[in-house]
Amino acid sequence: EAGVTQFPSHSVIEKGQTVTLRCDPISGHDNLYWYRRVMGKEIKFLLHFVKESKQDESGMPNNRFLAERTGGTYSTLKVQPAELEDSGVYFCASSPPGQMNTEAFFGQGTRLTVV
Amino acid sequence: QKEVEQNSGPLSVPEGAIASLNCTYSDRGSQSFFWYRQYSGKSPELIMFIYSNGDKEDGRFTAQLNKASQYVSLLIRDSQPSDSATYLCAVIRSGGSYIPTFGRGTSLIVHP
Repeated sequence: EAGVTQFPSHSVIEKGQTVTLRCDPISGHDNLYWYRRVMGKEIKFLLHFVKESKQDESGMPNNRFLAERTGGTYSTLKVQPAELEDSGVYFCASSPPGQMNTEAFFGQGTRLTVV
Repeated sequence: QKEVEQNSGPLSVPEGAIASLNCTYSDRGSQSFFWYRQYSGKSPELIMFIYSNGDKEDGRFTAQLNKASQYVSLLIRDSQPSDSATYLCAVIRSGGSYIPTFGRGTSLIVHP
């Protein structure tokens, strides 16, 4: 069974450009999470989808970040325009529906560097 | 106060020793607690979860939960160099959204 896959693995862009990150969750996992880890800091929650619906987007830093999950399958996270402080590793995770004690499975992450 | 707190370390232990990793959380209503291990450049992977007070053992790993003290720990017995990684504590808080909240992680170094 394929795990959570993220694309690209690395991205280097200039300040002001746009970048789109993609996450393919494990098939059947209704819950999809985006997290970000800035160097030296904790993994911080960005948002949570249940199927195609945004359940909680309280962690999104600002309106330069837009996440979508059309059809409840893969998700994209677009940063437009990118700023230097957006650099970090963006992780996607997924979990089966509605269970409190179920682990979240993580993708390998996308390392974003804004220069 | 951070929601989930961990000492960033590094925690350095000799091979064969017991490594003790600690985590405190602020939401008294938190319900589930997870320990993830993350090797450098890799994704976090689950080691254990615990949701009842007391100890839970799995091989060389023991998770300990004390809800009254809002404290969860991970013990690694007979530490090996391959255990060297960052250990992340994650907590699912009350409220029903099931979103894991992570601590900063503790870097563990097991030296031969």
